[in-house]
Amino acid sequence: GAVVSQHPSWVICKSGTSVKIECRSLDFQATTMFWYRQFPKQSLMLMATSNEGSKATYEQGVEKDKFLINHASLTLSTLTVTSAHPEDSSFYICSAWDSSNYGYTFGSGTRLTVV
Amino acid sequence: AQKVTQAQTEISVVEKEDVTLDCVYETRDTTYYLFWYKQPPSGELVFLIRRNSFDEQNEISGRYSWNFQKSTSSFNFTITASQVVDSAVYFCALSATLSGNTGKLIFGQGTTLQVKP
Repeated sequence: GAVVSQHPSWVICKSGTSVKIECRSLDFQATTMFWYRQFPKQSLMLMATSNEGSKATYEQGVEKDKFLINHASLTLSTLTVTSAHPEDSSFYICSAWDSSNYGYTFGSGTRLTVV
Repeated sequence: AQKVTQAQTEISVVEKEDVTLDCVYETRDTTYYLFWYKQPPSGELVFLIRRNSFDEQNEISGRYSWNFQKSTSSFNFTITASQVVDSAVYFCALSATLSGNTGKLIFGQGTTLQVKP
C-alpha cells in the first residue's frame, strides 16, 4: 500500500534554530500534502496544504514565515520551523492524498522539542 | 464550514465490554467522506475506515462496526468485546470534495479509550 516516510521521528533543537521535517511518498505521487500539528492530548490541527509546484495554503492563525513549506516534487514535501521556540514543541505529522486508492496516507510523525 | 464533534473525551471500560464512540459532523457539501483513525501511544495514525456520503450501509470488520446515519449526521464506531490492545485515541474525521485538488481532512477532538483488564 501507499507509504509516506517522515523524518526525523524526533528532534531536539535549541531555541532560535531552524528544523526541517521531510515527508516522502514512497510508491505514489503526492500532488497534495497536508501538514498537521498536534499538542499533547489534543487533536490534529491542520496547518497548511501544499500542492506540488505552488505556494502552500496556510490555515488561519498559522504563520507562513515561521512554518515554511516546500513541495518541490511529486514525492517530497518539507516543513521548516524557523527560529524555533519552546512553544513550537509539538508533534508534527504529514499526510498525502493518494488518488489511486482514494485515501489519505499519514507519515509516522515528528516529535519536536525546543529547549 | 466543516466540523466534527466527538463529545466523549475519555471512555474507560473493562475488557470484553462493548463500547461505542460517537461522532457527529457538519458540512454543507453533498459529497463528503468520513473516516475513523486510531492513534496508539506511538503517535502513528492507523486508518480504520472510510465511508462516502452516498453509502449509508453499516459496516462490520471483525470486532469493529460503524453506523452511518445521514439523518442525524452521525458516524458512530462500536468495538465489540473490547481488548486491552484497543486502548488508544480514536479520531473521527471529515473530508469534502475528494475530487480535483482534494479536500482537507478535518479531525474531531478525539476520544481516549482505556480498556482495563
